[in-house]
Amino acid sequence: QSALTQPASVSGSPGQSITISCTGSSSDVGYYNYVSWYRHSPDKVPKLIIYDVFNRPSGVSTRFSGSKSGNTASLTISGLQAEDEAEYYCSSYTTSDTVIFGGGTKLTVL
Amino acid sequence: QVQLVQSGSELKKPGASVKVSCKASGYTFTAYSMNWVRQAPGQGLEWMGYIKANTGNPRYAQGFTGRFVFSWDTSVTTAYLQISNVEAEDTAVYYCARDASYGDYDYWGQGSLVTVSS
Repeated sequence: QSALTQPASVSGSPGQSITISCTGSSSDVGYYNYVSWYRHSPDKVPKLIIYDVFNRPSGVSTRFSGSKSGNTASLTISGLQAEDEAEYYCSSYTTSDTVIFGGGTKLTVL
Repeated sequence: QVQLVQSGSELKKPGASVKVSCKASGYTFTAYSMNWVRQAPGQGLEWMGYIKANTGNPRYAQGFTGRFVFSWDTSVTTAYLQISNVEAEDTAVYYCARDASYGDYDYWGQGSLVTVSS
């Protein structure tokens, strides 16, 4: 099963908003509302920032929001800050009882 | 508090076996599936599979059947990933991750680097 499709990189200036897309299929993103987003900084552990498409775990900034339309999920980061610079991954549960990750998107804060 | 503490780095020669451990604490160990995720150098996260809550039955992703074995010992609340007959392509950081629900990985181990080199 191929990875979910994410842009390799996105960039934005401090204070701006950016959106990262995550495209799957009708067997994963499009079927369930079980899309998660993770932030992964170098030498750190991946951190769950969005689960079940749009829910934020306790302690995660409200600047992070998630949505979904059809087979594509999106992560929006508003009020971009320098510390947001990291790799971001989406993932989805699938109809085969597996999980699939996206290829990752490197966010650069200009 | 929930913690997942993994074993340290390993350097193995091709053909050897390696066993990575993931010691869990702070929650009811068998109530959550434990998943394994690989990150090869310069690559993204790759789901390897899980050992299922309560039953302990393993499920493997495509590409991780045969040489990869998930297990757990509930008496010491530890999950294990064993890789046999390792190859250079197995060089990666391996993470354990607790599955809160349908792929929501709310807690991760710190990662175990496995390096395969002759």
